[in-house]
Amino acid sequence: EIVLTQSPGTLSLSPGDRATLSCRASQSVISSTYVAWYQHKPGQSPRLLIYGATARATGVPDRFSGSGSGTDFTLTISRLEPEDFAVYYCQQYGTSPYNFGRGTKLEIK
Amino acid sequence: QVHLEQSGAEVKKPGASVSVSCKASGYTFTGHYIHWFRQAPGQGPEWMGWINPNRGATRYAEKFQGRVTMTTDTSITTAYMELSSLGSDDTAVYYCARSQGISLTDYWGQGTLVTVSA
Repeated sequence: EIVLTQSPGTLSLSPGDRATLSCRASQSVISSTYVAWYQHKPGQSPRLLIYGATARATGVPDRFSGSGSGTDFTLTISRLEPEDFAVYYCQQYGTSPYNFGRGTKLEIK
Repeated sequence: QVHLEQSGAEVKKPGASVSVSCKASGYTFTGHYIHWFRQAPGQGPEWMGWINPNRGATRYAEKFQGRVTMTTDTSITTAYMELSSLGSDDTAVYYCARSQGISLTDYWGQGTLVTVSA
């Protein structure tokens, strides 16, 4: 099965900063791009942000962008807004089991 | 709009079974798979399996084979997940989610806390 490793575990930044979150797969993801990113806030359900490694889900602001292929993927938030502080998970959905990483907590510095 | 409403929190004793329901609305229920995940404290979500409401086909993660059963009742657009032989490590928040295609999940339920305690 494919194991996803996210880094860093915690990222401390200020509103207006640029955030770069990494996700590395233990083997190449099918079609190189079956990777999604989710935002998860306490008490809420996970929200799909990015799919196909680079496509934004409906309603997701364009400050969120995804890149990468093969085994290395990145979520970038260009200018952090106060509502962006949350936990972010990557997931590969190309090969069962559809594993998630352990998440990156984005906290206010 | 798409909405998945899950049943309420459960407390179970070790060895018991739990059933969680997921009522779907705002879309054609038989047109999308339903996936189930769980999330233990401090962990990422863990995929448990999916069910195709159209024909009832299922696929379960190997870890849960023999212990999980996923069903649907299309007449009331509701999916169910039953997990048996509960242990303390089954304590988690359980989520249902709708998928686009087979495996990309786009809408999730609010989660159901299942606590296993003697």
